[in-house]
Amino acid sequence: GQQLNQSPQSMFIQEGEDVSMNCTSSSIFNTWLWYKQDPGEGPVLLIALYKAGELTSNGRLTAQFGITRKDSFLNISASIPSDVGIYFCAASSGNTPLVFGKGTRLSVIA
Amino acid sequence: NAGVTQTPKFQVLKTGQSMTLQCAQDMNHNSMYWYRQDPGMGLRLIYYSASEGTTDKGEVPNGYNVSRLNKREFSLRLESAAPSQTSVYFCAIATGKVVNTEAFFGQGTRLTVV
Repeated sequence: GQQLNQSPQSMFIQEGEDVSMNCTSSSIFNTWLWYKQDPGEGPVLLIALYKAGELTSNGRLTAQFGITRKDSFLNISASIPSDVGIYFCAASSGNTPLVFGKGTRLSVIA
Repeated sequence: NAGVTQTPKFQVLKTGQSMTLQCAQDMNHNSMYWYRQDPGMGLRLIYYSASEGTTDKGEVPNGYNVSRLNKREFSLRLESAAPSQTSVYFCAIATGKVVNTEAFFGQGTRLTVV
């Protein structure tokens, strides 16, 4: 089936640093999304991307839908302690439900 | 407006017991999903329902059954629980402007099978 390769698996960064994570696939998708999950909670949508090449920001978060439609990245600028959590990429080709990456666990050291 | 409500929040079962996980939405969306989350495995789709009365298998359907009797509710049943089904289960609905996108998740059910 369709799989998303998300990297890195985990990151330890200093507060104030920028963060970058990405997702790749061998399949083409029409939609890429990025979610964040806090401990004990369900994932929450951060950014949705619907068009190849699209670059979208949400506060300190920026995500891009790769031009080949096979990848996406998420950047977080000037990280703060509340950025801690697990970040998931997800993608859909429209006629199938979302598939998820395995997640990037972010730890922020104050 | 609770969005997506899952019950129970926690459950411990003995191997071989059965149980039903409940999910209800108040957002009037057609598509509903059941995912399981295991450490290092991300979210894997168990079953989904594109509309009332229809269900389809996802990536990991073995050992589970589902029921979509009305638009609001989508239940997941374990007929004979196994330790491999210890996991966190999430129900979700699709809220995006494009079908099958922008999943909105419930709070999860944490299931332990001993």
